[in-house]
Amino acid sequence: DSGVTQTPKHLITATGQRVTLRCSPRSGDLSVYWYQQSLDQGLQFLIQYYNGEERAKGNILERFSAQQFPDLHSELNLSSLELGDSALYFCASSVSTGNTIYFGEGSWLTVV
Amino acid sequence: GESVGLHLPTLSVQEGDNSIINCAYSNSASDYFIWYKQESGKGPQFIIDIRSNMDKRQGQRVTVLLNKTVKHLSLQIAATQPGDSAVYFCAEEKAAGNKLTFGGGTRVLVKP
Repeated sequence: DSGVTQTPKHLITATGQRVTLRCSPRSGDLSVYWYQQSLDQGLQFLIQYYNGEERAKGNILERFSAQQFPDLHSELNLSSLELGDSALYFCASSVSTGNTIYFGEGSWLTVV
Repeated sequence: GESVGLHLPTLSVQEGDNSIINCAYSNSASDYFIWYKQESGKGPQFIIDIRSNMDKRQGQRVTVLLNKTVKHLSLQIAATQPGDSAVYFCAEEKAAGNKLTFGGGTRVLVKP
C-alpha cells in the first residue's frame, strides 16, 4: 500500500457525461500528480499540483481540469466524456519536487 | 483487474534466473531515473531509483545501471521469482520540476 488513496476504483459512465476522480495523497506529501494510462498510450502525465498550486501541465485535454484543495487532496474533473477517455487514471504524490513519486491504485473509467 | 499496454515487449524468464530489463531514455538533461513495477490491476510501485551522478545502485535483489553516454538504463533482478511477473516501466525526470516521463514498459513473465 503506497498510502495514496483514490476513489472511485471503478466508474462506468455514458458519453457526454462528467465525472470527478478524487485523490488523497500520502500523509505529508505536498505534490500531487495525475496520470492517464490507456492501452495504446502507456502512462501519460496530465498535471501536477504543489501545495495547492498548479506546477506543471502535460497532455491534459481542455475538457479535463484538476485542483488541489487546502487539505492537499486533489480532484480530477473529466467532462464531455468520449469513448476514448476510457482509461486508468492514476494519482501520485511526493513530498516535494525531486522526491520519489508514489502511485495510488488508480480509478478505472469506462465510457460507454 | 484488466491489463493495460497489451502490445508490450515481453521477457520470459525461468524462475531462479536473473532478469535484465533495458530502457533507452530520450533526454540527456534528465538527472533522475526510476524503475516502477506494475502488477495487473494495480498502480505502479516504486522499485529503485538512481541519479545521474551515479552509474550503479543496488537494492534488495535489484540493481539499476545507468549509462549516460548512450542514454541507457537497465534493471537487473536477481533470482527472479513468480511474484516478479509484472510490467516494468522506466521513468526519467528533468532537473526542474518533477514531471516523470515514462517509457513504454516491458512485460516480465516468470516461468516455473
